[in-house]
Amino acid sequence: EPEVTQTPSHQVTQMGQEVILRCVPISNHLYFYWYRQILGQKVEFLVSFYNNEISEKSEIFDDQFSVERPDGSNFTLKIRSTKLEDSAMYFCASSETSRDGYTFGSGTRLTVV
Amino acid sequence: GNSVTQMEGPVTLSEEAFLTINCTYTATGYPSLFWYVQYPGEGLQLLLKATKADDKGSNKGFEATYRKETTSFHLEKGSVQVSDSAVYFCALSSNQGGKLIFGQGTELSVKP
Repeated sequence: EPEVTQTPSHQVTQMGQEVILRCVPISNHLYFYWYRQILGQKVEFLVSFYNNEISEKSEIFDDQFSVERPDGSNFTLKIRSTKLEDSAMYFCASSETSRDGYTFGSGTRLTVV
Repeated sequence: GNSVTQMEGPVTLSEEAFLTINCTYTATGYPSLFWYVQYPGEGLQLLLKATKADDKGSNKGFEATYRKETTSFHLEKGSVQVSDSAVYFCALSSNQGGKLIFGQGTELSVKP
């Protein structure tokens, strides 16, 4: 069964450093998403991406965040200057249409120290 | 705005017990409704979905019916197993944009 692949599975970074979280969506999917889950809390929407541009973003997705699809397969989330409160599990997801259920990756646990 | 409310956990059941996890939603338009499951240490997996009123989603013995009149999408299973222990998330997707709005999750623990 096709998978969404995320790397790394766990990243530790110092406050103020830049991090790039990587995702390889399912190849025929057109819609891409990032979500995050702070430990023990709700899964929160960050951003959706379609046709090479952001289609929607949440209040969390401020100027410190950016997304990119640098080639035909990767979809990255960059945090320019990490804060302690950015520590969370970050999930990438993709879907074939905007009304399908997504396929989620297994997540990247980001720890900011 | 759109929102999802789930019953609070943790829910602890014995094996073969009947499971209900309540989920209600607030949304404009005609959302699609989903249940996702997160096993310990893993990501989110789509369990079942329903895209219009009165649809029933089902998978692995779990069922949920889209009830527009009560704005609910309760998850049920007739006989739970230890392997069903996980966190269950109810979610909705509005008919535009496609982003998912999640409930807070309900942790289920099934004891042998």
